[in-house]
Amino acid sequence: SAVISQKPSRDICQRGTSLTIQCQVDSQVTMMFWYRQQPGQSLTLIATANQGSEATYESGFVIDKFPISRPNLTFSTLTVSNMSPEDSSIYLCSVEVPPGVAEAFFGQGTRLTVV
Amino acid sequence: ELKVEQNPLFLSMQEGKNYTIYCNYSTTSDRLYWYRQDPGKSLESLFVLLSNGAVKQEGRLMASLDTKARLSTLHITAAVHDLSATYFCAVDRWGAQKLVFGQGTRLTINP
Repeated sequence: SAVISQKPSRDICQRGTSLTIQCQVDSQVTMMFWYRQQPGQSLTLIATANQGSEATYESGFVIDKFPISRPNLTFSTLTVSNMSPEDSSIYLCSVEVPPGVAEAFFGQGTRLTVV
Repeated sequence: ELKVEQNPLFLSMQEGKNYTIYCNYSTTSDRLYWYRQDPGKSLESLFVLLSNGAVKQEGRLMASLDTKARLSTLHITAAVHDLSATYFCAVDRWGAQKLVFGQGTRLTINP
């Protein structure tokens, strides 16, 4: 199984600032995924990050607000830009499932509070 | 658009009782996942169901999948307090490993 590490695990940020969340996986993967979980809600996919190409964003999410980098096959970052209290959420990264493996693995999440 | 609906959304039960959480989804999918989430924590993978009629069991939890009915169930047998958590089902959209989650079922098990 893939081991996914996210940093930071939590942060409290001032509105109007930006936070970059890092996701490191212990094996090379083509696709990495970023999800958001708002308080008391389910998870929603923000975007898919492929190495060597621009991220693909889901409806309701835009690159200016959530820029993503994918510099290599084991690492990705998600930036939450110009934050407002509505951005307070848990942000989780996930990775593609290797052939023959049925699991979908998640990092431990980053709990963001915007004040 | 793929939609995933769970019910109930809230469930309070006593230890020792049995209950079932239902997960309906709207379009064909390759995989169905069940996850557990404790407060403030990430997702713990419980089961992955890949084919019609699949049944998997781990301890007091058993999951099943009926692809024709587009229905999965998570059955809890003789519940214990440690099973209190929020349970999510998720469906793989178009086999692209982009998961669509149900709303979650917040399960509280009382002594």
